[in-house]
Amino acid sequence: QVQLVESGGGVVQPGRSLRLACAASGFTFSNYAMHWVRRAPGKGLEWVAVISFDGNSKYYADFVKGRFTISRDNSRHAVYLQMNSLRGDDTAVYYCAKGEDFLTGLNGPLFDYWGQGTQVTVFS
Amino acid sequence: QTVVTQEPSLTVSPGGTVTLTCASSTGAVTTGFFPSWFQQKPGQAPRALIYSTFNKYSWTPARFSGSLLGGKAALTLSGVQSEDEAEYYCVLYSGGGIQVFGGGTKLTVL
Repeated sequence: QVQLVESGGGVVQPGRSLRLACAASGFTFSNYAMHWVRRAPGKGLEWVAVISFDGNSKYYADFVKGRFTISRDNSRHAVYLQMNSLRGDDTAVYYCAKGEDFLTGLNGPLFDYWGQGTQVTVFS
Repeated sequence: QTVVTQEPSLTVSPGGTVTLTCASSTGAVTTGFFPSWFQQKPGQAPRALIYSTFNKYSWTPARFSGSLLGGKAALTLSGVQSEDEAEYYCVLYSGGGIQVFGGGTKLTVL
């Protein structure tokens, strides 16, 4: 069965950094894009970033460009989110979600599996 | 940047039918936006319901269906049950690798 387990969240001061990790199992990890999505308190879901199946393409929401970096290690079945220059409005639960298959692309299932999320609190 | 708009809240009676919509600030939503729908309950991760406009997952209850309606993506729940009370989110592909979630609809079953 597909499992996604996030880790690395915590409480951090503004301007500092955190690195989130998402460990995947139960599917052929190297065939799928992977996404990060967040939900801030009192707000809805917000797409953060995606990395292609092979790591060669990465896309970001405008509000994290230049501050966050998504990466993956297919040998470890893991995707990461390096978050720098954190701000108070980055406080949220961060989810990783399984993305599209490189063969079917956006026509196929995407965001079909989610982790339980990891809490990031930026607090001075 | 694309803004995706959903009804903030809707109320439906048990056994009734309700349609949630998902609009794009760029114009009519088409299949090329690959709309997906999700359900989220408090304290839980989102659960996928529909992908690529109308496709269901193996776990999607039959009472949920996706479509395009009046230039928007739509999620229709027929024969609503109390367990369907939740927040519902759509996401649209806006091009250039970017996905945009709607603000969510809080569905109350009353």
